[in-house]
Amino acid sequence: DIQMTQSPSSLSASVGDRVTITCRASQSINNYLNWYQQKPGKAPNLLIYAASSLQSGVPSRFSGSGSGTDFTLTISSLQPEDFATYYCQQSYSNPWTFGQGTKVEIK
Amino acid sequence: QIQLQQSGPGLVKPSQTLSLTCAISGDSVSSTSAAWNWIRQSPSRGLEWLGRTYYRSKWYNEYAVSVKSRTTINPDTSKNQFSLQLNSVTSEDTAVYYCARGRWYNWNGGYYYYMDVWGKGTTVTVSS
Repeated sequence: DIQMTQSPSSLSASVGDRVTITCRASQSINNYLNWYQQKPGKAPNLLIYAASSLQSGVPSRFSGSGSGTDFTLTISSLQPEDFATYYCQQSYSNPWTFGQGTKVEIK
Repeated sequence: QIQLQQSGPGLVKPSQTLSLTCAISGDSVSSTSAAWNWIRQSPSRGLEWLGRTYYRSKWYNEYAVSVKSRTTINPDTSKNQFSLQLNSVTSEDTAVYYCARGRWYNWNGGYYYYMDVWGKGTTVTVSS
């Protein structure tokens, strides 16, 4: 199975901050990488697919980049509703695997 | 607008079978542009994809190796839903279970798979 490792595991940030979350795959996955946001008690919500394509309805302050083994999710200006846990997920090979999550907390 | 409605028991005894159903509205389980997935989440295992079913002239099922021997995902076209059966459960199977729609994005010769609509989740506890 492809292992997905996110860093950091958690971070504290203020409204308006630029936030960057990193995801590393245990082998090259080209750009078969998705990002999800999850709030407590809710299902994950798709933000980004194919490493950099913004899902319909997702604010443009979210962006994704990377290819191969290293990927980044950036929130350009953190908003109150963005405090949540973020997960990467590879869709390169079965089984689709997720990172362990990055919790974004209020500073 | 597509919605996925999950149902099933929240408590299952060890060694028994966990059974969950996901009813689809706003799409079809027989759609040739979608796949229907089960994923679970627990503090110890994180998010774990279990398997999917999809229709492309015939039905296909794919499972994670970790649960393949115990898992069955079945479509029900008459009710426009799909189900998960997980046999011989133990406490390790205690988790929140989600169903989700999968789609493919065709770009530059590649087919990029993502899960864009999720059910609300069902908390399943394995305990006697």
